[in-house]
Amino acid sequence: DQQVKQNSPSLSVQEGRISILNCDYTNSMFDYFLWYKKYPAEGPTFLISISSIKDKNEDGRFTVFLNKSAKHLSLHIVPSQPGDSAVYFCAASARSGGGADGLTFGKGTHLIIQP
Amino acid sequence: EPEVTQTPSHQVTQMGQEVILRCVPISNHLYFYWYRQILGQKVEFLVSFYNNEISEKSEIFDDQFSVERPDGSNFTLKIRSTKLEDSAMYFCASSPLLMNQQPQHFGDGTRLSIL
Repeated sequence: DQQVKQNSPSLSVQEGRISILNCDYTNSMFDYFLWYKKYPAEGPTFLISISSIKDKNEDGRFTVFLNKSAKHLSLHIVPSQPGDSAVYFCAASARSGGGADGLTFGKGTHLIIQP
Repeated sequence: EPEVTQTPSHQVTQMGQEVILRCVPISNHLYFYWYRQILGQKVEFLVSFYNNEISEKSEIFDDQFSVERPDGSNFTLKIRSTKLEDSAMYFCASSPLLMNQQPQHFGDGTRLSIL
């Protein structure tokens, strides 16, 4: 039951270019979406999030786009830097009566920035 | 920057034994979570905790598991009678406030190895 899907296990991008990571979801109750970055032997690090009432959120080099009708979101990194090489996880949550909702994660995309 | 800390970083336990994983959430956070990641698989939600009680739990979080906030700083996950399939990375997370959909911040995890 893959409610959050990241169909690209890996992505290779040249330094300085744009990295675009994609994520699809199936649960229409999801209303909050997040991107996390993970290095080996570390926990996921929060990058950027977006609420379902928006279609774009920007923070420095990172921009997240949300297309609710397509149930699709993407993370753009511009320009890509060597330190961006990591596994990127898409995650989503659905507000359910005000409870502390668990996140549903995708399988991750391993981004490799080539010099 | 405040962070979630987890101890130990690696725990090796004999099958059938009890194990307690410890977490110190970020000090002003109100919501606490446990997740696990079996090798090669997704990060999976286990349980959320708010106001000294479980707020939400997944199907994985059965009677073998329990959580506790024994004092004002620690948040623990206890696994009774461990099984081989409990071997995984266990991540603790915390978030400050639910109303504005604040992101969850993760610790670096405890690698649990069941022999």
